[in-house]
Amino acid sequence: QVQLVQSGAEVKKPGASVKVSCKTSGYTLTSNYIHWVRQAPGQRLEWVGIINPSGVTTTNSQKFQGRVTVTRDTSTSTVYMELSSLRPEDTAIYYCASDHYDYWGQGTLVAVSS
Amino acid sequence: QAVVTQEPSLTVSPGGTVTLTCGSSTGVVTSGHHTHWFQQKPGQAPRTLIYDTTNKFFWTPARFSGSLLGGRAALTLSGAQPEDEAEYHCVLYYNVVRVFGGGTKLTVL
Repeated sequence: QVQLVQSGAEVKKPGASVKVSCKTSGYTLTSNYIHWVRQAPGQRLEWVGIINPSGVTTTNSQKFQGRVTVTRDTSTSTVYMELSSLRPEDTAIYYCASDHYDYWGQGTLVAVSS
Repeated sequence: QAVVTQEPSLTVSPGGTVTLTCGSSTGVVTSGHHTHWFQQKPGQAPRTLIYDTTNKFFWTPARFSGSLLGGRAALTLSGAQPEDEAEYHCVLYYNVVRVFGGGTKLTVL
């Protein structure tokens, strides 16, 4: 059974970085994609980025302008999403999701506040 | 970046039929946009109903179906149930980058 388990909530100050993890089980990272999606309070879902089976990442560069990095550790079946130069408008729930979004992590709240 | 549009809100009567749509600022939505549809209830993560325009998961109720309609992607709900009241989102694929729509709040009343 596929499970995606994310790290816990984070509170950060503007300008800091945050790294959210997504530990997978029953899901082979070298054969599948992982998406990152976020949702700010009361806002639409927003696609953050993706890592493909070869480990190549693509991010929503127009929105995040190079602030997002997606990486993985296949030895621990974990994918990471790091967002730098945090702003208050980055406050959101960040989700990881599988290939066809059929499995989702539980979400990680990242709050950015001075 | 492309803009994906959805109806902000729709209302359907119990047992009725409603079609939600998902359009693209770049033009006609095709199978190449690999449309996915999601249902989201308050406080919950999204749940995917439809992938690649028309395909269902085993958990997708039979009353939901996906299609292309009038240049847009469409999600049709036939025989609405009270539990179908939720926010519905679509996402389109644009050469690796994905773009979500603004969501449709569906009321069953």
